[in-house]
Amino acid sequence: DGGITQSPKYLFRKEGQNVTLSCEQNLNHDAMYWYRQDPGQGLRLIYYSQIVNDFQKGDIAEGYSVSREKKESFPLTVTSAQKNPTAFYLCASTPYMRHTEAFFGQGTRLTVV
Amino acid sequence: DQQVKQNSPSLSVQEGRISILNCDYTNSMFDYFLWYKKYPAEGPTFLISISSIKDKNEDGRFTVFLNKSAKHLSLHIVPSQPGDSAVYFCAATLDNYGQNFVFGPGTRLSVLP
Repeated sequence: DGGITQSPKYLFRKEGQNVTLSCEQNLNHDAMYWYRQDPGQGLRLIYYSQIVNDFQKGDIAEGYSVSREKKESFPLTVTSAQKNPTAFYLCASTPYMRHTEAFFGQGTRLTVV
Repeated sequence: DQQVKQNSPSLSVQEGRISILNCDYTNSMFDYFLWYKKYPAEGPTFLISISSIKDKNEDGRFTVFLNKSAKHLSLHIVPSQPGDSAVYFCAATLDNYGQNFVFGPGTRLSVLP
């Protein structure tokens, strides 16, 4: 079955540490996205990538970094520069076409301890 | 400044009645609109969409209405069922490929048995 897999589901990080969230899709989608969800604020775009080896900052990119070395994979690194990293992180993908929906993974809950 | 607004954080409806969730947007360039449903600690799942060239789209119990002049869309669920209890996100996108989706803050729907 095709889909998007995020791992791990729950992640704990000590302050000052970098941590990488995994996102893999086997839908052959071109575009991939990372969103962050905080209570009452909906989904805010962190980074997105439309093709391999290319990505753009979203609305809240500070303190985050990404890479897109393979079409299937779009890992997100939460760096120590991110002031408030505790949140629910969602990865999504879409094919390169107009008027289509985004398919989401199950999310990763990151908690800084 | 939020481009997509959902002014009702929560809504309670009796089972079997109609649920109406509202969404307003400010960017007149948005041309495709989507509704997602999200359960706690899970990724959003796509429900229904509508292109700006239409004013209504129906899929089973779900109907989305678009009023472009008012920059308003609504999701109707008839009849409402307890399993519909979730957070509903409205999203909008511009007329381009590899869309950048803009999400509203969500409305929590509770369907009471």
